[in-house]
This record gives sequence, C-alpha cells and structure tokens, in this order.
Amino acid sequence: DIQMTQSPSSLSASVGDRVTITCRASQGISNYVAWYQQKPGKVPKLLIYAASTLQSGAPSRFSGSGSGTDFTLTISSLQPEDVATYYCQKYYSAPLTFGGGTKVEIK
Amino acid sequence: QVQLQESGPGLVKPSETLSLSCIVSGASITSYSWSWIRQPPGRGLQWIGYISYSGSPDYNPSLKSRVTLSVDTAQNQFSLELNSVTAADTAVYYCARSPRYCSGGTCYPLHFDSWGQGTLVTVSS
Repeated sequence: DIQMTQSPSSLSASVGDRVTITCRASQGISNYVAWYQQKPGKVPKLLIYAASTLQSGAPSRFSGSGSGTDFTLTISSLQPEDVATYYCQKYYSAPLTFGGGTKVEIK
Repeated sequence: QVQLQESGPGLVKPSETLSLSCIVSGASITSYSWSWIRQPPGRGLQWIGYISYSGSPDYNPSLKSRVTLSVDTAQNQFSLELNSVTAADTAVYYCARSPRYCSGGTCYPLHFDSWGQGTLVTVSS
C-alpha cells in the first residue's frame, strides 16, 4: 500500500508569512492528491484536489503543486483564520490514505 | 446543496457491532462514491472504506476483516458496520462523498468534496 508522509508535523509562523507543507508518496500517484483543512473541533474541508486545483470557495492564498511522489501545499500569506491542521490524501486507487497531518499555529 | 447526516448509537460495548448510517440529501447516491472516515480523539484521519451504487466496496486493509459497507438506494443512504469493537475504535466517524472517474466500466473515487458533521462513537462497557 502507498504511504503518504507529511512534513512538518507542526509549524509556527507569523501572520503574513509564506507557509509550505509537503507530502511525499511512497510510490508515484500522478496528481491524485487532495489537501484538507480541519479547524479545531470542525469537519475537514476540501482545499485542493488534483494536486493543484483550488476548490470553489477556498481562499486564493492557498495553492498546491506536485506530481508523482512529491506534493506541496502553500499558504502565500498566513492569516489568523488559517490556524488548523492540514492533511494530504491520495485517491483513485484504494486504500485512500491520508497523511499524518500538519498543525499550523500563529507565532 | 448536498447534505450528509450520520446517525447511530454514540455508545457501543466492547466486542459488539458498531452500526452507523449516513442519509444523503441533495444528491443521488447512484452518482458518486461514498466513504466512511474516522478520527480518534486528538489524532489524524483514517479512511475506513468506500462503496458505490455499482461495483464492489473497498476497505482499508487494516479494518477489512471487521467492516461491511452497504448502500440503500431507496432511502438514499449508506451504512457502516464494524464488528468486534474495542476501545481503539472510539472515534468521530464521518461519512463523505467522492466524485468518480469512470473508464472502461470501472469507476474510481476522487477527492472528498462533502462531509457529514461527524458522530462520536465511544466503545465502553
């Protein structure tokens, strides 16, 4: 089974900073990757799919890139409302695995 | 707008069967793949399995021996059964929808674009 390894597991950054989260697949998975944001006590929310397509309604400061085994979620200018845990996920072929999550906090 | 609503007992005894349903409104259950995902307290997301109206369900290998998914098109809902539960199965359980990509008669689930609000199931005597 393909594993999804996310890094870092947590980070602290200042408002306005550029933040990058990475996800590495143990085998090539084309662009079958989604990113989700889960705020404390809330339901996960889709941000990005197909590695780089912004979900309707998601803020444009979020972007995704990558293909094959290495994927990145970038927040161009961190905002207080971005405090959350972010998960990558592979889809298309089962098992539909999530990464371990990255907790983002404000410094 | 699609809505998903989980329902079922919030407390299950060890060794018994956890049963949950997800009622779908605003979308036809025949047009998507439908998954169950869980999140133990303070931990990450774990995919349990998915089912479509057509095709066989697929399960997380770590849970496959204990999980059964089913779909009821008349009620527009799908269900989860997890047997022989232990305290390690205590979690918030989410149902979620995936668009599908179909090719050559086989359909593949894509990203989770809609989620239920989640239901906490505690396994305890």
